[in-house]
Amino acid sequence: DAGITQSPRHKVTETGTPVTLRCHQTENHRYMYWYRQDPGHGLRLIHYSYGVKDTDKGEVSDGYSVSRSKTEDFLLTLESATSSQTSVYFCAISEASGRTYEQYFGPGTRLTVT
Amino acid sequence: DQQVKQNSPSLSVQEGRISILNCDYTNSMFDYFLWYKKYPAEGPTFLISISSIKDKNEDGRFTVFLNKSAKHLSLHIVPSQPGDSAVYFCAASGDNDMRFGAGTRLTVKP
Repeated sequence: DAGITQSPRHKVTETGTPVTLRCHQTENHRYMYWYRQDPGHGLRLIHYSYGVKDTDKGEVSDGYSVSRSKTEDFLLTLESATSSQTSVYFCAISEASGRTYEQYFGPGTRLTVT
Repeated sequence: DQQVKQNSPSLSVQEGRISILNCDYTNSMFDYFLWYKKYPAEGPTFLISISSIKDKNEDGRFTVFLNKSAKHLSLHIVPSQPGDSAVYFCAASGDNDMRFGAGTRLTVKP
């Protein structure tokens, strides 16, 4: 199993509060991704990183920001959580970008915004 | 817009029989396709992939078929086992873009 951990695994927060989710990898992979999984939508890319301090937006980036100050850590921040951000969040890593590189996923964080 | 569609949210098959999971895509720029398997409370794990230059790829009990003209791919599992019960996601990849379908929940009954 790829060494990917996510913390916390579960979180309940109130609308309007800031939330930060952490992804940590021990594989030294260059690329890291944040997805959200919602019923009927599958996995949708929020943001991704292609190196330390190098990030870009994905399909559903509004309301989210990310930071990567070290190769092994990729943080996802919800500046002011809303109920529409209730979801399961997955971090993923890959050796490189491109179509043939499979992604390895973390165990997920279930976030509930009340 | 969903560029990758899995129109069957669920599928139930008997142990030992064939499971066929389907996936359609709309973007002709996608040229690499993957299937991921997901168990409850775990992240998705890679299962099998296929390049657009092929129409079939096999790995043990799992075979993926690609019909480029129809923009359709399918995953065949033969024979199906109870441990195959999971959610299966289809993914399509192009230049720096990967899109996932909504998933199909497969239940294999003993």
